[in-house]
Amino acid sequence: DQQVKQNSPSLSVQEGRISILNCDYTNSMFDYFLWYKKYPAEGPTFLISISSIKDKNEDGRFTVFLNKSAKHLSLHIVPSQPGDSAVYFCAASGIGGSQGNLIFGKGTKLSVKP
Amino acid sequence: GAGVSQTPSNKVTEKGKYVELRCDPISGHTALYWYRQSLGQGPEFLIYFQGTGAADDSGLPNDRFFAVRPEGSVSTLKIQRTERGDSAVYLCASSPAGTTYNEQFFGPGTRLTVL
Repeated sequence: DQQVKQNSPSLSVQEGRISILNCDYTNSMFDYFLWYKKYPAEGPTFLISISSIKDKNEDGRFTVFLNKSAKHLSLHIVPSQPGDSAVYFCAASGIGGSQGNLIFGKGTKLSVKP
Repeated sequence: GAGVSQTPSNKVTEKGKYVELRCDPISGHTALYWYRQSLGQGPEFLIYFQGTGAADDSGLPNDRFFAVRPEGSVSTLKIQRTERGDSAVYLCASSPAGTTYNEQFFGPGTRLTVL
């Protein structure tokens, strides 16, 4: 049973518009959430994270929103750029978020068209 | 500074053979993780080291898989009697000591193909 779900395998967005990537989780013990970006033939690269005590974290063009009651988080990228085209993974960590393993979703492939 | 490195980048082997995959974490990082990523899936946790000891090996699929980190730095993932189902990208990640939250830094992975 998947604990972290990314239900959209792909997303296509026009350059300059907003990209919204969604993630749902089932385990209420998760208290730290991360987004990773992955290019082909490379390892995942950390993008942004959020603790369960917050509902929003922003870093430049990237903002992550957390809705604990709905067990849902989303990553907003605005404005989207062609270089943002990659696979985005949502990941979760539990029990205080300290040094435990990460549980990943299956990823969403984002294509940003010029 | 240097990131996490993994060798080899690609490994092709025959069913039944033994393989070793190496991970060199970021200098000073005490935590080291191994994940496996199959096609169309997200990374799946295998094992986590804190220093030299395996703090959590609950993700290892069976006793054909074993990992060591004898000096608390480089780690080797060992797979005995490889099977075709072991084919995947094996990812290593590390994180620094005293991290409150779990931001892990990944290497490029080793693509293992079992024929």
